[in-house]
Amino acid sequence: KNQVEQSPQSLIILEGKNCTLQCNYTVSPFSNLRWYKQDTGRGPVSLTIMTFSENTKSNGRYTATLDADTKQSSLHITASQLSDSASYICVVSAMDSNYQLIWGAGTKLIIKP
Amino acid sequence: GAVVSQHPSRVICKSGTSVKIECRSLDFQATTMFWYRQFPKKSLMLMATSNEGSKATYEQGVEKDKFLINHASLTLSTLTVTSAHPEDSSFYICSAKVAWAFGEQYFGPGTRLTVT
Repeated sequence: KNQVEQSPQSLIILEGKNCTLQCNYTVSPFSNLRWYKQDTGRGPVSLTIMTFSENTKSNGRYTATLDADTKQSSLHITASQLSDSASYICVVSAMDSNYQLIWGAGTKLIIKP
Repeated sequence: GAVVSQHPSRVICKSGTSVKIECRSLDFQATTMFWYRQFPKKSLMLMATSNEGSKATYEQGVEKDKFLINHASLTLSTLTVTSAHPEDSSFYICSAKVAWAFGEQYFGPGTRLTVT
């Protein structure tokens, strides 16, 4: 069964600190893995997208890693800002006719001043 | 980047009435659009996949007669919630898939539906 699991479920850190969010998946056949940021009451916004051949990809203070062998990914946020408070969702795309997206439950990140 | 809009952003309706939500791809053509539903503190749940000019494909457990989807053009898809009930209150999000990409989806800002 295709599944995406994220940890932790929620995380609170102080402004300026770094943090790492985890994602494990069992999706086959694998097409790509995405990290989205979703602010409360808004649609998801893409942060990174990686295929199986990519190990790391950065977008500003966000760096995603992918280990296709262990089927794990992480999202590292550097020097957190208050605006980073949001849900971060790991999504894996299966290589089917519609590239179905398998959604993780998300990690709720709260940045405190 | 590609922009997807939704209208309205918020709607309140009475139980038993129907509500239409529009999803538009503003600067690209989308052969496939998706409709999601999101409950508080939960992740997005795919409701249906809509391909331009053909009938939508609904996920298991989603009533096609209740959630009518029309994808009449490459830039517009509509979701109509018919005979709405309070349990239909939710956050509805659409996404559009760029025809030339290998699956990249761009999401709309969402529509908050409240049924009283």
